[in-house]
Amino acid sequence: NAGVTQTPKFQVLKTGQSMTLQCAQDMNHEYMSWYRQDPGMGLRLIHYSVGAGITDQGEVPNGYNVSRSTTEDFPLRLLSAAPSQTSVYFCASSPGRPGDTQYFGPGTRLTVL
Amino acid sequence: DQQVKQNSPSLSVQEGRISILNCDYTNSMFDYFLWYKKYPAEGPTFLISISSIKDKNEDGRFTVFLNKSAKHLSLHIVPSQPGDSAVYFCAAIPWVTSYDKVIFGPGTSLSVIP
Repeated sequence: NAGVTQTPKFQVLKTGQSMTLQCAQDMNHEYMSWYRQDPGMGLRLIHYSVGAGITDQGEVPNGYNVSRSTTEDFPLRLLSAAPSQTSVYFCASSPGRPGDTQYFGPGTRLTVL
Repeated sequence: DQQVKQNSPSLSVQEGRISILNCDYTNSMFDYFLWYKKYPAEGPTFLISISSIKDKNEDGRFTVFLNKSAKHLSLHIVPSQPGDSAVYFCAAIPWVTSYDKVIFGPGTSLSVIP
């Protein structure tokens, strides 16, 4: 099993550009989530999904969109990148609710100029 | 305002000694707590958890203590090893009201000195 994979590992964008961060898991987990990690802030939940076709907002959803068309994939879309979105992004999955162990991907480091 | 606080950004401990990482929370609705460990350039990995119905949970060298009245939990690592050097995140879930959301603290960077 590859676990949770994220692409790309690094990305530089200009303000106003759009992009999609990819996340995939091969463990047949129902729950998936996106976090961003900023210095001194820990991990903050952006969006999450409890199953295919179901998504909801976390703590910091503004500026991001998600969809969950399959169990395996949970892409995160930045519609119009802003410098405030410079961060490290982590995708995670768990078999059930997040009280179960969450398995994190290796992260995507995004810089918005 | 942060609901989960880890007031020590960093901690240094000698190999073989005890490491104590602290975490405080403000939301009395939190009733499930987790610790995650993160190495540089990797995603966090689950370490240990505790439910609010318990005050202690052990897993090998790792023990988590929960003091609900003080809204405080701590992670003890005994004995500390150089491989334990990492950032440790405390996290909490308000299981009854919003069991899909995990709130993380800012993390404590632990350095275990050989």
